[in-house]
Amino acid sequence: EAEVAQSPRYKITEKSQAVAFWCDPISGHATLYWYRQILGQGPELLVQFQDESVVDDSQLPKDRFSAERLKGVDSTLKIQPAELGDSAMYLCASSLGAIYYEQYFGPGTRLTVT
Amino acid sequence: GNSVTQMEGPVTLSEEAFLTINCTYTATGYPSLFWYVQYPGEGLQLLLKATKADDKGSNKGFEATYRKETTSFHLEKGSVQVSDSAVYFCALPNYGGSQGNLIFGKGTKLSVKP
Repeated sequence: EAEVAQSPRYKITEKSQAVAFWCDPISGHATLYWYRQILGQGPELLVQFQDESVVDDSQLPKDRFSAERLKGVDSTLKIQPAELGDSAMYLCASSLGAIYYEQYFGPGTRLTVT
Repeated sequence: GNSVTQMEGPVTLSEEAFLTINCTYTATGYPSLFWYVQYPGEGLQLLLKATKADDKGSNKGFEATYRKETTSFHLEKGSVQVSDSAVYFCALPNYGGSQGNLIFGKGTKLSVKP
């Protein structure tokens, strides 16, 4: 069964450092989501792509976060500089399209900022 | 925009006990409703869904019925197992914003004791 891949699974970084996460969606899925899940909370959307275009980044802290999906396939989420409050699980999900299609989640990247 | 409120945990049950996790929603129109499950250290998995009023979603012994009149989608299982220990999230699409990203409840942690 096809799965969403994410790497790394765990990342420890010091504050003010740069960090990057990678996501490879299920083949053929046009829509890709990055969610942030703070411990004890539900996931919240950071950015949504339709193919290579951003359709929603309203909750992305753009002064330090960036996301790209250059060829409309895999995606990278970057944080620079990292802050203590960025410690969370970063989840990637993909779906065939937006609305009415099931989202499939990857295993996530657990980020700890020290 | 759409929102969801779910029963806060943690919930601790003995094996074979009956489970109910309450979820209520506020939404424009009649969106699909979802329950996701997150096992320790993993990403989210779709547990079940319902796409219209009075639909019953079911999977792995879990059930939830889409109740339009009470705007609820409570999760139930007649006899829980230790392997059901996980965090459960109620969710619905955020049509009001970015065309399909999910709005999640805060999650309910279930622990099942043998």
